[in-house]
Amino acid sequence: QVQLVQSGADVKKPGSSVKISCKASGGTFSNYAINWLRQAPGQGLQWIGDITPNFGIANYAQMFQGTITITADASTGTAYMELRSLRSEDTAVYYCARELSVHYPAFDVWGQGTLVTVSS
Amino acid sequence: EIVLTQSPGTLSLSPGQRATLSCRASQSVSSSYFAWYQQKPGQAPRLLIYGASSRATGIPDRFSGSGSETDCTLTISRLEPEDSAVYYCQQYGRPPVTFGGGTKVEIK
Repeated sequence: QVQLVQSGADVKKPGSSVKISCKASGGTFSNYAINWLRQAPGQGLQWIGDITPNFGIANYAQMFQGTITITADASTGTAYMELRSLRSEDTAVYYCARELSVHYPAFDVWGQGTLVTVSS
Repeated sequence: EIVLTQSPGTLSLSPGQRATLSCRASQSVSSSYFAWYQQKPGQAPRLLIYGASSRATGIPDRFSGSGSETDCTLTISRLEPEDSAVYYCQQYGRPPVTFGGGTKVEIK
């Protein structure tokens, strides 16, 4: 059973960048799209973008265009999300999640979440 | 983007009762492209239902889903104390993926 393990919590200054990793263990990584989402404190879920490691092509939500880069290293089974020009509003728990299948791209496996706090 | 509106905001029921959670989309989405998640405090969401009505692996059969092009419903037939959580609907039929605001289910 595949698990996704994310890097640890981080505290960043406004205007800086953060890079979060998501490593798959116990199963196939490259055939499934990996998505990134976030959840601000007390709020709902927001989709950020995705990548299919085998192809390396990333898609981003419009509001994050220009400030985010999602990459993946199929050889190590690790996906990365880098968010730049951080603002206090970017304080959130960031999740990676795997799609169930091409036909049903719901998210069946989730990382444990990474809390990013943006504060001066 | 498609906006999903969930109702009610909060549901307070007793163990053994039936819970019905609704989700309405601002535009047509194929019924095959709705999903439901359960999230407990401090935990990642857990997939319950995909394709509007298919239960994910390991999900008890007291959870069921149904849907049309613009609406989907999650039913918990017999509530148990561990079902206390926030439930989110999701559509993945029209990019970008969007989620509803959540329904909090409280067990009395």
